Amino acid sequence: DIVMTQSPDSLAVSLGERATINCKSSQSVLYSSNNKNYLAWYQQKPGQPPKLLIYWASTRESGVPNRFRGSGSGTDFTLTISSLQAEDVAVYYCQQYYSTPKTFGQGTKLEIK
Amino acid sequence: QVQLQESGPGLARPSETLSVTCTVSGGSISSYYWSWIRQPPGKGLEWIGYISNSGSTDYNPSLKSRVSISVDTSKNQFSLKLTSVTAADTAVYYCARIRSEAAPFDAFDIWGQGTKVTVSS
Repeated sequence: DIVMTQSPDSLAVSLGERATINCKSSQSVLYSSNNKNYLAWYQQKPGQPPKLLIYWASTRESGVPNRFRGSGSGTDFTLTISSLQAEDVAVYYCQQYYSTPKTFGQGTKLEIK
Repeated sequence: QVQLQESGPGLARPSETLSVTCTVSGGSISSYYWSWIRQPPGKGLEWIGYISNSGSTDYNPSLKSRVSISVDTSKNQFSLKLTSVTAADTAVYYCARIRSEAAPFDAFDIWGQGTKVTVSS
């Protein structure tokens, strides 16, 4: 199984400031034949299902604000929120879909400082 | 737009079989791949398995001996059965759609609201 490890486990950022969440996979999720990273990011607010933010490591899902940016390749990935808004308080998960079983990171809880 | 809605028993007895169904509305289940994911209370997400529109399946090896996923295209539903449940199977069970119609290796773009199942005697 590919193990996904996120850091930090929790993060407190001031409104308007940048938030950065890291995700590391135990093996590469870059598929060489199409040069795509099989990595997604989700946002989960209390009492709600996860919401897809980013897929292919850096492609924003339709309707996701452009303050959310995904980057990275191979085994190291980052989700950056450029200017934190109050509605961004949530738990964020990375997930690999390169191979089964599909696996998620343990989650990063983002709060307002 | 496509929406997913889970339905389940709420409570399951230890050693019995847990059954949960996902109803797809606003689109046909005869396209795409469909998945089950669960989340124990206060914990992270665990992928259970998926089924294709043609009925092919793949399961998490950690659950493979106890899980089956089936599809009923006439009802636009797919279902999860988990046998020999224990308290460790207590979780919110989500159904989700995989983005790609062509292959199961893509992100989960549409999720149901989830159904909470508690395993207790």
